[in-house]
Amino acid sequence: DQQVKQNSPSLSVQEGRISILNCDYTNSMFDYFLWYKKYPAEGPTFLISISSIKDKNEDGRFTVFLNKSAKHLSLHIVPSQPGDSAVYFCAASAKNYGQNFVFGPGTRLSVLP
Amino acid sequence: DAMVIQNPRYQVTQFGKPVTLSCSQTLNHNVMYWYQQKSSQAPKLLFHYYDKDFNNEADTPDNFQSRRPNTSFCFLDIRSPGLGDAAMYLCATSRDRIQGHPQHFGDGTRLSIL
Repeated sequence: DQQVKQNSPSLSVQEGRISILNCDYTNSMFDYFLWYKKYPAEGPTFLISISSIKDKNEDGRFTVFLNKSAKHLSLHIVPSQPGDSAVYFCAASAKNYGQNFVFGPGTRLSVLP
Repeated sequence: DAMVIQNPRYQVTQFGKPVTLSCSQTLNHNVMYWYQQKSSQAPKLLFHYYDKDFNNEADTPDNFQSRRPNTSFCFLDIRSPGLGDAAMYLCATSRDRIQGHPQHFGDGTRLSIL
């Protein structure tokens, strides 16, 4: 029973265009969300987070949007660069569960030059 | 500089032969986690230590154990590895368990079972 879903296993985008990665969750108790980026042969690295009291958080080229009613969040990368090619994991946690994150299965982003 | 270090990067063991994976950190974080990740799947939390307090996930098999002798080191012991235990094992740390403290991951140990 997947509580965090990333329904697109892969995504290809042209360099300079926008990349949009999507994530859906089922547990309404989740109130804190993160995106991690993973290169081959490396561990995931933290990218950006958002609390449920917000609907948007921006950090440079990366913006995360949260739609609580739809239980949906998305990561926008603008403009996309070849170095953004990686696997992106969405993760969620609930205050009652502390830092026990539930991860999605990831989306592989390929940014084409 | 690597802050969460996992050794070895690749480990091969025989079916049923105990194996230990290690993780060390230079961040002085209170919390250390072990995840199992199988191909194209989400990382799955096995357990975590908050300081010396061990917290097991309900569905983690008894075959998996962990030790944290001090703040810097944490070990994952697999007592009798089966073929289904072949996976990437990720160690992570965080300053605290409250929200707002992202986890920092090591590069993982890929375990193969012969």
